[in-house]
Amino acid sequence: AQSVTQPDIHITVSEGASLELRCNYSYGATPYLFWYVQSPGQGLQLLLKYFSGDTLVQGIKGFEAEFKRSQSSFNLRKPSVHWSDAAEYFCAVGDNGNKLVFGAGTILRVKS
Amino acid sequence: DTGVSQDPRHKITKRGQNVTFRCDPISEHNRLYWYRQTLGQGPEFLTYFQNEAQLEKSRLLSDRFSAERPKGSFSTLEIQRTEQGDSAMYLCASMRRGLDPPSYNEQFFGPGTRLTVL
Repeated sequence: AQSVTQPDIHITVSEGASLELRCNYSYGATPYLFWYVQSPGQGLQLLLKYFSGDTLVQGIKGFEAEFKRSQSSFNLRKPSVHWSDAAEYFCAVGDNGNKLVFGAGTILRVKS
Repeated sequence: DTGVSQDPRHKITKRGQNVTFRCDPISEHNRLYWYRQTLGQGPEFLTYFQNEAQLEKSRLLSDRFSAERPKGSFSTLEIQRTEQGDSAMYLCASMRRGLDPPSYNEQFFGPGTRLTVL
């Protein structure tokens, strides 16, 4: 069965600093991987997705993620964090168009 | 494209009552998903529809839960005899599933219905 681990429950970074959110997955076949962001009172918004091809994927809002099969990881990065990036971030793995399996999420706090 | 909408946004009920939530997907999205999110956790899959057919149900979906999508458009999720453990955010998502593999389109999520069972 698929599973996703996000080791960090909370992360605090200073505005303008770089960010890396960790995600490890367990999946038997080629994974479909996603990062979503959820702000209070808002639905989940897709930041980026990986299906195949280039292992470095670019998303919206200046985010990128790198798929590393050998490490079963799909970490999310941003070179310079803005205060508006404060939210909860979820990594998810999909099983070929059916359900998504989400990690427990990482809450990002941004210090000014 | 008006996005996925859910109604109500908040529901407070007493234990033992029945509740029903509605989800309106993005028009012409053939797939509709229900997830449940409890505090401090990521969303957990409950069930999904392809048009009007319910294709998969999670073991999380006890006999007290039922979902329908009668005309392949909107969907309802009913919880009978609610329990305090049912308190959660119920999320709906829709997707346009393509016919040619590999195709994996984005699931668009609604704002959710927050259920509180007293």
